[in-house]
Amino acid sequence: AQKITQTQPGMFVQEKEAVTLDCTYDTSDPSYGLFWYKQPSSGEMIFLIYQGSYDQQNATEGRYSLNFQKARKSANLVISASQLGDSAMYFCAMSLDQTGANNLFFGTGTRLTVIP
Amino acid sequence: DAMVIQNPRYQVTQFGKPVTLSCSQTLNHNVMYWYQQKSSQAPKLLFHYYDKDFNNEADTPDNFQSRRPNTSFCFLDIRSPGLGDAAMYLCATSREWGTGGENEQFFGPGTRLTVL
Repeated sequence: AQKITQTQPGMFVQEKEAVTLDCTYDTSDPSYGLFWYKQPSSGEMIFLIYQGSYDQQNATEGRYSLNFQKARKSANLVISASQLGDSAMYFCAMSLDQTGANNLFFGTGTRLTVIP
Repeated sequence: DAMVIQNPRYQVTQFGKPVTLSCSQTLNHNVMYWYQQKSSQAPKLLFHYYDKDFNNEADTPDNFQSRRPNTSFCFLDIRSPGLGDAAMYLCATSREWGTGGENEQFFGPGTRLTVL
């Protein structure tokens, strides 16, 4: 069965510093997609970054980068130059081809707090 | 701006009193999803529509129903809400389904349901 694990319930980072949020996954499906979403207190889930299982290079989107280590089944999110507005819940999610749809399986999330 | 809209943002209902949550999208996406997110938990997929084809998750209670009268609108009906149904309900859309990054899910702001 597929599983997403985020082992850090909460993280703190100083403003302007970089932070890494951990995510490990488990699936026997060779084709999958990995997503990171940000959820501020307002509730909306905001897409940040995507990594496909066959992508050779790590994904980057502005200050966000995904450290994809396929052999270790990890997909950590790196946020560089943290800003106060980055304080939010962060969810790692996975979609699988075998489900026949774009069902997202979410981890339990990490609450990031950026300290001024 | 193209977006996913959910109304109302906050809904209060009484135990056992039917309630309907609505979602609309201007993205013209084929797939629409409903997630339930309880406090401090990850979102959990309830069901999704690909166009007019309805797909129920195996563990979604019968108490939850959905309608999609057209491409733009999707409704979540809770026939007899219980105290355990209090949660944030998130609507999402994707252009197609599949694990590719182009099929990222766009989320609405959510409806927070309180059951008295």
